[in-house]
Amino acid sequence: GAVVSQHPSWVICKSGTSVKIECRSLDFQATTMFWYRQFPKQSLMLMATSNEGSKATYEQGVEKDKFLINHASLTLSTLTVTSAHPEDSSFYICSTHGQGEQFFGPGTRLTVL
Amino acid sequence: GEDVEQSLFLSVREGDSSVINCTYTDSSSTYLYWYKQEPGAGLQLLTYIFSNMDMKQDQRLTVLLNKKDKHLSLRIADTQTGDSAIYFCAERYDNQGGKLIFGQGTELSVKP
Repeated sequence: GAVVSQHPSWVICKSGTSVKIECRSLDFQATTMFWYRQFPKQSLMLMATSNEGSKATYEQGVEKDKFLINHASLTLSTLTVTSAHPEDSSFYICSTHGQGEQFFGPGTRLTVL
Repeated sequence: GEDVEQSLFLSVREGDSSVINCTYTDSSSTYLYWYKQEPGAGLQLLTYIFSNMDMKQDQRLTVLLNKKDKHLSLRIADTQTGDSAIYFCAERYDNQGGKLIFGQGTELSVKP
C-alpha cells in the first residue's frame, strides 16, 4: 500500500503561534487528502477534504480561516493551525485513498501551551 | 445523517473470542473498515470488506456484514493480551469524495 508520512510527529508551541503540519504521499499520487483530528480518548473526526489544486471542503463546525489547508501538489498537503490555543491540542492525522484502500499518516501530536 | 455507532467497552479473557459490533447509516457505502489503535499510536488497518460481501476471514479475524440491518462485526478468535487496544469501524462515503466516518471506538481489554 501507499506510504504516507507526516512531519513533524509532535510539536509543542505557545498559544497564539501558528503551526504547519506536512503530509506527504511518498509513492502514490494523492489527488484527495483528508485531514482528521483526534482528541484524547475520542474518535477521529474529519476536519476537511482537499483536492489537489483546489480549495478544501471543510466539515461543519471547522473554521476554515483557522485551519488552513494547502494541497498544491499530488504528493504534499499541509495543514496550518493559525493562532493556536490550548483547545487546539490534538492528534492530527492525514489520509488519502486509492482502489478501496485508505492510507493514513502516522499522525502529528500538537500541544499548545 | 452521518453516524457510525459502536459499544464503548469490551472485556474478554485470553483465549476467548471477541466480537465487536458496529452499525452505520449510509447504505450506499462500498467499503467498511476496521482499524486498531494502541495507546499513543496511529491507526493500523486490520481489514476491510467490500459491500457486496457478507463475510471476510483473515487469519484470526472474521468480518460479518449485514447490509439489510447496516450492521458490521469483527470477531477476533483466540484473543491475546496483545489485542488490547481501541478498535474503530469506519464507513466510506463514496458520494462525498471517499471520506471516512469513524465510530466512537471500542476499547478491548483482554485479561490473562
